[in-house]
Amino acid sequence: DVVMTQSPLSLSVTLGQPASISCRSSQSQSLVFSDGNTYLHWFQQRPGQSPRRLIYMVSNRDSGVPDRFSGSGSGTDFTLKISRVEADDVGVYYCMQGIYPYTFGQGTKLEIK
Amino acid sequence: VQFLQSGGGLVQPGGSLRLSCAASGFTFNTYAMTWVRQAPGKGLEWVASISESAVDIAYADSVKGRFTISRDNSKNTIYLQMNSLRVEDTALYYCTKGYWNDAWGQGTLVTVSS
Repeated sequence: DVVMTQSPLSLSVTLGQPASISCRSSQSQSLVFSDGNTYLHWFQQRPGQSPRRLIYMVSNRDSGVPDRFSGSGSGTDFTLKISRVEADDVGVYYCMQGIYPYTFGQGTKLEIK
Repeated sequence: VQFLQSGGGLVQPGGSLRLSCAASGFTFNTYAMTWVRQAPGKGLEWVASISESAVDIAYADSVKGRFTISRDNSKNTIYLQMNSLRVEDTALYYCTKGYWNDAWGQGTLVTVSS
């Protein structure tokens, strides 16, 4: 199975400052599927809420997601960036790879400094 | 998009439960559906996915042979039949839209304990 490793596991950021979360797949297994697409997605889980998807297929923002959020990367290394952290961004962020069996990263907890 | 999840509860090890997830707000029979779970205080774990017509089904190794995902497109509902439950199956179970979880239900709690 593909193991997704996120770093850091916790992040304390001042309001208005940027944040970055890394996600790497194990054993150098590329997440490029046979159709040429890369099925790497990012999710946000605010305290006490269900997760919601922010980014799909590496860099596509879901509807309603602020453009402060961006995704990038290729092959085995991916990044979620928040350009200016707001109070509403507190929560846990997960990456997920979409090759069976699907696997999630351990999660990165974002808090405000 | 909305989901109405039901069927969770407390069950003894070795017991069974069936979870339901009734969906609305989208054309249900054109989307795959997925179950994802989250143990208390832990991260997310994919459980199972089912294609639009139920032809393609996949399970995590941790539940294969014990859990069965199914759907009834006439009722816009998916199900998760869980047999031979173990303590480690204790979790909040979410139904999600699509293979890539683009919308999530509120979750239903399953507690396996003697």
